[in-house]
Amino acid sequence: NAGVTQTPKFRVLKTGQSMTLLCAQDMNHEYMYWYRQDPGMGLRLIHYSVGEGTTAKGEVPDGYNVSRLKKQNFLLGLESAAPSQTSVYFCASSPGTSGNLGRETQYFGPGTRLLVL
Amino acid sequence: GDSVTQMEGPVTLSEEAFLTINCTYTATGYPSLFWYVQYPGEGLQLLLKATKADDKGSNKGFEATYRKETTSFHLEKGSVQVSDSAVYFCALSDRSGGSNYKLTFGKGTLLTVNP
Repeated sequence: NAGVTQTPKFRVLKTGQSMTLLCAQDMNHEYMYWYRQDPGMGLRLIHYSVGEGTTAKGEVPDGYNVSRLKKQNFLLGLESAAPSQTSVYFCASSPGTSGNLGRETQYFGPGTRLLVL
Repeated sequence: GDSVTQMEGPVTLSEEAFLTINCTYTATGYPSLFWYVQYPGEGLQLLLKATKADDKGSNKGFEATYRKETTSFHLEKGSVQVSDSAVYFCALSDRSGGSNYKLTFGKGTLLTVNP
């Protein structure tokens, strides 16, 4: 199993441009999450999904949109990138309600480094 | 709301030294507690976890005990190695109704182990 994969690994955008980050998991997990990591801030939840076709806002959702059209994929979109969105973005998944043991444990992808100029 | 406070780094130790990274939490419900580790240039990996009071999580020589009375989950290792150099995150998952298993993270502690 590949686990959680993220595409791309690194991207440079100009202010105002748009892009989509792709997260894929092959563990048949119900729940998926998008975080951003900034120096001294730890990880902050952007959006999450508790199943195919569902999405919900996390702690810092402004400026981002998400979609979960397929169970294994979770897309994070930036419609009009801003320098404040320069960050490292991590996707994670967890078994959620479909799991017995370890339903809360989240498994992380390798991250996408985004620079907005 | 839920919150996690962990000791600020960076922490620099010599190989074979004893490690403690303090973590305390505030939660409205009865959370599960986690330690994640992030090696340079990588994503987070689960290091250990505990789901109820007095449980001890352990992995790769690291240990942490869920202390409900002091709301703490301190990470310890008796003898660190250079390969333990990483950022360590304490986190909680509040299992109260509607939490959807979201994790609340501390800010992370950078550990550097010198030979």
